[in-house]
Amino acid sequence: GAVVSQHPSWVICKSGTSVKIECRSLDFQATTMFWYRQFPKQSLMLMATSNEGSKATYEQGVEKDKFLINHASLTLSTLTVTSAHPEDSSFYICSATSRDSRGSPLHFGNGTRLTVT
Amino acid sequence: AQSVTQLDSQVPVFEEAPVELRCNYSSSVSVYLFWYVQYPNQGLQLLLKYLSGSTLVKGINGFEAEFNKSQTSFHLRKPSVHISDTAEYFCAVSSRSGTYKYIFGTGTRLKVLA
Repeated sequence: GAVVSQHPSWVICKSGTSVKIECRSLDFQATTMFWYRQFPKQSLMLMATSNEGSKATYEQGVEKDKFLINHASLTLSTLTVTSAHPEDSSFYICSATSRDSRGSPLHFGNGTRLTVT
Repeated sequence: AQSVTQLDSQVPVFEEAPVELRCNYSSSVSVYLFWYVQYPNQGLQLLLKYLSGSTLVKGINGFEAEFNKSQTSFHLRKPSVHISDTAEYFCAVSSRSGTYKYIFGTGTRLKVLA
């Protein structure tokens, strides 16, 4: 149980275009979803926290107009990278919690490798 | 605010040898503690977690970790590693109160040698 599906697993796009990444909880209701960005051989950098039906909370330094997060239902959150540039190339990972409990572990998607040319 | 420090960026170890991956944290509030493993180009999988109770917690794949409140540490151990344990390991904390977020350490790459 507790499966998180993230797609696409990889995407290549041209500079200036937008890319949408989907994160779905397949067998549980995700009250909270987290979006992370991971640079090569580095840790996960929290970008934003999203709760179903409300606006995402962005971490300091993350441009909310560039990285649009929508958590429209208890099973789906999307991250849209708008007007992508080569420096946005990275590995993006979503995660979700199955209960509104801080002790709950995160369930991760398999990540999306974004390459902007 | 919380922070997590994993001092060892890489740990090479021979197969069947024991290993310890170190994790220290800093927080102004009480936290829950977790260890995750990441295989190449994949998301993270939970190895184990400490919520309360016994300070020695056992996880999957033969791993265990011990919570030491006085030293603010949560080191991960395995008595005998396998080649398949080669991966990136992340320590994480989640605050018990205040802003709800998970903070990860910088990761330790465990490389098991034949």
